[in-house]
Amino acid sequence: DAGVIQSPRHEVTEMGQEVTLRCKPISGHNSLFWYRQTMMRGLELLIYFNNNVPIDDSGMPEDRFSAKMPNASFSTLKIQPSEPRDSAVYFCASSPASGYTFGSGTRLTVV
Amino acid sequence: KQEVTQIPAALSVPEGENLVLNCSFTDSAIYNLQWFRQDPGKGLTSLLLIQSSQREQTSGRLNASLDKSSGRSTLYIAASQPGDSATYLCAVTMEYGNKLVFGAGTILRVKS
Repeated sequence: DAGVIQSPRHEVTEMGQEVTLRCKPISGHNSLFWYRQTMMRGLELLIYFNNNVPIDDSGMPEDRFSAKMPNASFSTLKIQPSEPRDSAVYFCASSPASGYTFGSGTRLTVV
Repeated sequence: KQEVTQIPAALSVPEGENLVLNCSFTDSAIYNLQWFRQDPGKGLTSLLLIQSSQREQTSGRLNASLDKSSGRSTLYIAASQPGDSATYLCAVTMEYGNKLVFGAGTILRVKS
């Protein structure tokens, strides 16, 4: 079991560019979550999916953020256009029904 | 709205001490509670998961307790080691959804 796999590990981009973060959950886990972590706000839930269906996206900060889960083994979080205040570590996590496993995160820096 | 609070925010102890980290939550209607460890610049590692029907879970030198009715959990670390230095996060899952609500964490430093 390779765990939850996120890519890229680090991303540096210029303001206004599109950024796409990727996540491969653990096989058999039916829930997938995107979190953002900053020093100021800690860990915040952005969106989560159950069986590939978005359940709660109330944490998505703005329309610039979008997330998809086209199948059970892949999800993306897209920011378009990116802004410096989007700089954070973005974590993906998956869960079979109880208990979470987190990926190593993507550190995003928008300059 | 569920709120999770962790006390203390930071803790520094000499190696070998036993220590307790505290977590409280405002809404007792939780499905489970999970303790995580996060090393600087790294992801979250799950330490212990306690279901709402359970009172405690143990793994090695770690013991987590849950008092659902009073909205409290503690993480007990026995014989602390410098390698235990990290941020410890408490999080609850609500019965009515799968969302994890996190506390702000306790930064632990164990001095050799």
